[in-house]
Amino acid sequence: QLHLQESASGLVKPSQTLSLTCAVSGDSIGSSPFAWSWIRQPPGKGLEWIGYIFQTGSSVYNPSLKSRVTISVDRAKNQFSLNLTSVTAADTAVYYCGRGWGGGGKIDYWGQGTLVTVSS
Amino acid sequence: QSVLTQPPSASGTPGQRVTISCSASRAKIGTNTINWYQQLPGTAPKLLIYSNNQRPSGVPDRFSGSKSGTSASLAISGLQSEDEADYYCAAWDDSVVGVLFGGGTKLTVL
Repeated sequence: QLHLQESASGLVKPSQTLSLTCAVSGDSIGSSPFAWSWIRQPPGKGLEWIGYIFQTGSSVYNPSLKSRVTISVDRAKNQFSLNLTSVTAADTAVYYCGRGWGGGGKIDYWGQGTLVTVSS
Repeated sequence: QSVLTQPPSASGTPGQRVTISCSASRAKIGTNTINWYQQLPGTAPKLLIYSNNQRPSGVPDRFSGSKSGTSASLAISGLQSEDEADYYCAAWDDSVVGVLFGGGTKLTVL
């Protein structure tokens, strides 16, 4: 059974960098064709796709966040990471990692999510 | 305003059948398949329907999806109290090569 677990960065100060890691168990990122994804949800609001990365290292980002987002993969540790720079209060959200499929875009496994608050 | 439009709320009584709509404002998105997610309070979203009308293993057949043109619907029959949740439609967006989510519909079981 696939399991994804986000690390917590908790509180981040404005203008700093938000960093999260998603540890994957039950599947090998390095040998799977999936789009390892990040999605976020501001408190009381809807879901927003952030981006995804393939095991090759190829990544795609939401154009609205592209200038600030980097997603990377560590095949040895079987995890992938999210960096979001120059954060503001608008980046306060629950951040989810997930396993996505290209083409149809379904995300069939989700982490439990971690709340990141941007505040001084 | 989301390119995938859902009603903000829906409601029904136990045993009823309810439907939630999802309309694509861009025709190109409307040609792609729709996925539906259920988010119970305080939990992560869960894939409910994929490829318009396919149910993942473990999803009860009370849940069904359909699509016609640029509009899709999620139907829940035999409504139960535990169905009270937020429901999101999503589609692949070729223009960004990524996922687009609808704004979500809060379903209340009266």
